[in-house]
Amino acid sequence: GESVGLHLPTLSVQEGDNSIINCAYSNSASDYFIWYKQESGKGPQFIIDIRSNMDKRQGQRVTVLLNKTVKHLSLQIAATQPGDSAVYFCAENLRGSSGSARQLTFGSGTQLTVLP
Amino acid sequence: DGGITQSPKYLFRKEGQNVTLSCEQNLNHDAMYWYRQDPGQGLRLIYYSQIVNDFQKGDIAEGYSVSREKKESFPLTVTSAQKNPTAFYLCASRSGGEEQFFGPGTRLTVL
Repeated sequence: GESVGLHLPTLSVQEGDNSIINCAYSNSASDYFIWYKQESGKGPQFIIDIRSNMDKRQGQRVTVLLNKTVKHLSLQIAATQPGDSAVYFCAENLRGSSGSARQLTFGSGTQLTVLP
Repeated sequence: DGGITQSPKYLFRKEGQNVTLSCEQNLNHDAMYWYRQDPGQGLRLIYYSQIVNDFQKGDIAEGYSVSREKKESFPLTVTSAQKNPTAFYLCASRSGGEEQFFGPGTRLTVL
């Protein structure tokens, strides 16, 4: 299957600044994308998702942008806080031809470190 | 509380032994998944089950086995055939949507 990759393995930001985490995908048929946050030693937690018929979606302090032209996905975190330090994964879901949902394909993750 | 539980949190195994990791959910989700995570890497799919008494191999099923006798339970057995089993194992479940909900994980170490 197609792989999902991240541009940067690590990202350090000052507390209070905005963070931008990028993700590239290569399968133009993917129609659903999701961002997870994983703290050390824990399972991933849902942050936000977006469908391919949208360009932007906002949550609480987070925004996901989807650029289908260049197959690029980004997660923006506003006013980054120490509790935001974690690994962030993007994942894509390629819907099968039968219409049934298939499993997610995950990227390798970006480690976000918030500096005091 | 509704959610996914995995046990144990830490598991040690001697080489050549089979070991079973537990995954239970009370979310009434039909689909369940097992992933393996190695340090600094993403999640790789081992097995998944869309419905009771049915399951399919994922990308790295060799050396693993599963069963789905009950909707709430999806145990994973790591067999002696798995050559490099030390990893962090994550179980997830999904309802009718596409978001997967993850358990806290089990860290398996082979001694």
